[in-house]
This record gives sequence, C-alpha cells and structure tokens, in this order.
Amino acid sequence: RKEVEQDPGPFNVPEGATVAFNCTYSNSASQSFFWYRQDCRKEPKLLMSVYSSGNEDGRFTAQLNRASQYISLLIRDSKLSDSATYLCVVNGFSSNTGKLIFGQGTTLQVKP
Amino acid sequence: GAVVSQHPSWVICKSGTSVKIECRSLDFQATTMFWYRQFPKQSLMLMATSNEGSKATYEQGVEKDKFLINHASLTLSTLTVTSAHPEDSSFYICSARDLTGTGGSYEQYFGPGTRLTVT
Repeated sequence: RKEVEQDPGPFNVPEGATVAFNCTYSNSASQSFFWYRQDCRKEPKLLMSVYSSGNEDGRFTAQLNRASQYISLLIRDSKLSDSATYLCVVNGFSSNTGKLIFGQGTTLQVKP
Repeated sequence: GAVVSQHPSWVICKSGTSVKIECRSLDFQATTMFWYRQFPKQSLMLMATSNEGSKATYEQGVEKDKFLINHASLTLSTLTVTSAHPEDSSFYICSARDLTGTGGSYEQYFGPGTRLTVT
C-alpha cells in the first residue's frame, strides 16, 4: 500500500465549478499535512497547510480527518489558472525529521 | 517567501560522465536539505536527506556511491550523479527547511529543479 494515495484523475471541470480532491495516508503517526500545487515541468509550490480544525484560504478549503487518515481539498469557483497537479503531502515520521511523503498527485484541468 | 535556487536548470550529458547539481538557500539558513527525483507522470520520490556537516541519509534503494551528496554549509548542498546512465534521466528537485522550522513546522521550500538528460 502506498503511504499517500490520491486519485490521479484527470479531473476535467468547467470554469466556475467546485471540485474536491481526496487523499488517504497510511502512517497514523503523521503530524503535518499539506497540499502542494505543481505546474507542468515546475517545482511544487505550497498551496496550504492542513489543520485538524479545517482551514480555508480564499476559494480553497482543506479538511483533515485523523481517525480516517483522510485529507481533502475543495476548490470553489474554479479558474483556468487552477489547472495543475495537486499533491497531497504528509510528513513521514512523528519525530522532527522534516521528511515529506508525496502522493502521486491529482491532475485538474479547468476548461473555459 | 524563502527562496531556493538550483543550478543548472537543465543539463545534457553523455553516459558515463558525472554531473553536479547545486542547491542554495538564498535568504535563509538550512540545516537540512532534501533531494528528490521525479520521473514523468510520477510523484516526487525522496532520495536522501542532507544534513549540514554530516553524512546524508539515503532512502532505501538509492545508491549512496552513485548519488554523492555534500552539505558543506548552511546554504549549499550538492548532488553529484556519478557515472550517469540514461535511466538516471529525470527531474531532480531539492528542498530546504528553514532553520526556524522547528517545533512541528515542516514547511519546505523547493528549488526550481534540474532536468537531467543522459544520452
């Protein structure tokens, strides 16, 4: 079983749509969770951290369910510029190593 | 935000040669840097964790004698791909952890990546 699993997609949605991505992780000791965005042939860029209470940043909402080891990202009012691959990322160990484990990524294509 | 640079951004080399990739944190100190590799349509895979002043920690399946890592200062880590072969062609990305990222903060800043093609 992969340590971080995501549906690779692609998700093809029209502009203005709401789209949700899901992610599960296997290490129950993971303490930090993130969503990164990666554009084609570019490095990943931090989109947002994910907190236990859930958090929102503009059109983006992230949720964490520790009991189910499940993370989600909701994008409202999709823009063409949201087209990218979204990476679910967790830290690999409970110690303070900083080691990150990346999911395969979910590809989003927003169409006009 | 914090800036990490990589050099070169792309390189083409012949099979059997060695290639050095540099990763620099430009406006912060990084005791820990990470080296990742990404093949087309796959996710980033951690290769090794580079700690300033000590030996790197390699992930399982990554040959330490082939991928030499040096982290001589708080702002520079290098990855040398020795005796490169076509199967080493990949996108190599480094990341650096801000020295202030302690107490549970694991935010890392990524370099722009180096695209290596071995012919």
